[in-house]
Amino acid sequence: EPEVTQTPSHQVTQMGQEVILRCVPISNHLYFYWYRQILGQKVEFLVSFYNNEISEKSEIFDDQFSVERPDGSNFTLKIRSTKLEDSAMYFCASSEGLGTDYEQYFGPGTRLTVT
Amino acid sequence: DAKTTQPNSMESNEEEPVHLPCNHSTISGTDYIHWYRQLPSQGPEYVIHGLTSNVNNRMASLAIAEDRKSSTLILHRATLRDAAVYYCILGGVGDDKIIFGKGTRLHILP
Repeated sequence: EPEVTQTPSHQVTQMGQEVILRCVPISNHLYFYWYRQILGQKVEFLVSFYNNEISEKSEIFDDQFSVERPDGSNFTLKIRSTKLEDSAMYFCASSEGLGTDYEQYFGPGTRLTVT
Repeated sequence: DAKTTQPNSMESNEEEPVHLPCNHSTISGTDYIHWYRQLPSQGPEYVIHGLTSNVNNRMASLAIAEDRKSSTLILHRATLRDAAVYYCILGGVGDDKIIFGKGTRLHILP
């Protein structure tokens, strides 16, 4: 069964450093998402991406965040200057179509620890 | 702003059916009802969704009230692996994001 993969599984970085989280969505999917989950809290939407553009972003997704699909298979989330409060699990997801009539497939997540 | 209401936690015995309730009294006519679950230390996983009619798939059944103001996710025979947080989520046709609430933490007793 096709699945979304994410690398690395765990990333430790120092405050102020840049990090790039990588995702490989399911190959025939056209819509891509990033969510995050701070330990013990709800899963929060960050951004959706379609046709090489951001479709929607939350207020969490400020200028420190960016997304890219550099090569037609990878989908990346970059945090330019990490803060302690960026420590969380980051989940990538993809879907075949737009809208909640289509299920989103989530990856296993990357645990980001900012020290 | 919560669009769905679920119990914080539930318990069930292994190999018995589980009925997970969800209230969504402000649902609009075009909102789909989705269920996702999150197993421990994993990403969310799609379970089932529906609009008006009851739905069945290999994982579960979804029973939707006639007025659509509530729904129930049914796991026909719970296993230990079904211990997870279950999220009931509403979404319109044009929505492209999932708004997760706190969900129901389901404990399965061996």
